[in-house]
Amino acid sequence: AQSVTQPDIHITVSEGASLELRCNYSYGATPYLFWYVQSPGQGLQLLLKYFSGDTLVQGIKGFEAEFKRSQSSFNLRKPSVHWSDAAEYFCAVGPTGGGNKLTFGTGTQLKVEL
Amino acid sequence: KAGVTQTPRYLIKTRGQQVTLSCSPISGHRSVSWYQQTPGQGLQFLFEYFSETQRNKGNFPGRFSGRQFSNSRSEMNVSTLELGDSALYLCASSLEVQETQYFGPGTRLLVL
Repeated sequence: AQSVTQPDIHITVSEGASLELRCNYSYGATPYLFWYVQSPGQGLQLLLKYFSGDTLVQGIKGFEAEFKRSQSSFNLRKPSVHWSDAAEYFCAVGPTGGGNKLTFGTGTQLKVEL
Repeated sequence: KAGVTQTPRYLIKTRGQQVTLSCSPISGHRSVSWYQQTPGQGLQFLFEYFSETQRNKGNFPGRFSGRQFSNSRSEMNVSTLELGDSALYLCASSLEVQETQYFGPGTRLLVL
């Protein structure tokens, strides 16, 4: 069965510093990979996705992620964090079973210090 | 284009009651999926619908059910509510199956 691991539950960075959020997945085939962000009391907003092709994908809000098959990783990066980036970030893999089911990681809570 | 909308946004119920949540997908999207989010279990897949047919179901008891209408709008129903059903229920839509899903703001359900 597929699974996603986000090893960091909480991360604190200073505004202007770089950011990397880790995501490791377990999946039997070529995965579809996603990063979503959730602000308090809100739904999930898609940051970026990887389906195939170039392993470095660009997303919204200046985020990027790199797919590394050999490491089963899909880490999210941003060169300079803004205070408004404080939120919870979820990595997801899927869909599976011929349908739309996404399997999510447990999330990483990002705090930005001014 | 309007995003995924969910109604109501907040709901308070008591144990034993039932509840119906509604989701309107992005215009033109035919696939709707539902997820439950709780602090303890995280984001868990409930079920998905495409062209009014349930295609996939997560590991939830039969008290959780859903349906999709011909206009792609979807409802989910939870009967005989339990305290543990308190959660944020998220709906997501996509154009077709196995395409990018876009999420609504969620319905926060509190069971007392």
